[in-house]
Amino acid sequence: SQTIHQWPATLVQPVGSPLSLECTVEGTSNPNLYWYRQAAGRGLQLLFYSVGIGQISSEVPQNLSASRPQDRQFILSSKKLLLSDSGFYLCAWSETGTRETQYFGPGTRLLVL
Amino acid sequence: GQQLNQSPQSMFIQEGEDVSMNCTSSSIFNTWLWYKQEPGEGPVLLIALYKAGELTSNGRLTAQFGITRKDSFLNISASIPSDVGIYFCAGRYNMLTFGGGTRLMVKP
Repeated sequence: SQTIHQWPATLVQPVGSPLSLECTVEGTSNPNLYWYRQAAGRGLQLLFYSVGIGQISSEVPQNLSASRPQDRQFILSSKKLLLSDSGFYLCAWSETGTRETQYFGPGTRLLVL
Repeated sequence: GQQLNQSPQSMFIQEGEDVSMNCTSSSIFNTWLWYKQEPGEGPVLLIALYKAGELTSNGRLTAQFGITRKDSFLNISASIPSDVGIYFCAGRYNMLTFGGGTRLMVKP
């Protein structure tokens, strides 16, 4: 069966510091991968998605970037965090095809102080 | 872009009551998904709907893909305290679009 992991689970970082969040998927090959951000009590905002290694699409301009160095690894980064980057970051995966249901990881809670 | 209107935004009900929530859009979708999210966790898929008119159950949960392909509803029968959480609908045409969520609170 497929599993998706995210780490760290929680992160407190000062403004201006760098960021690296990691997401890995097991039990599937060539998944589509997604990064979402969720503000407290709000819906999900798609940040990036990837259909393959090295292929990244950005949905909204922002202070963040994403990379996919391996088939089942998706990384969310920032060179300098802003206060507004605080939130709950969710990684998701889906299989390519007509029935593209997304499955979410456990999330990383980021607090920028 | 496509937008989903999910209602109600929140519900506070008594244990044992039935719950109904829905999502509507001005755009058509090929897939409707319903997720539940508990505090501090990622959303968990409850029900996936792939065909207009489809009615699918998962235990006490029932969801339907609207015949117009522009709406979907989720019903929960005989609610229990562990049903507490935020329920999200999501519709997919090309990309997945999420509703704003329905926060469900159940009073024992």
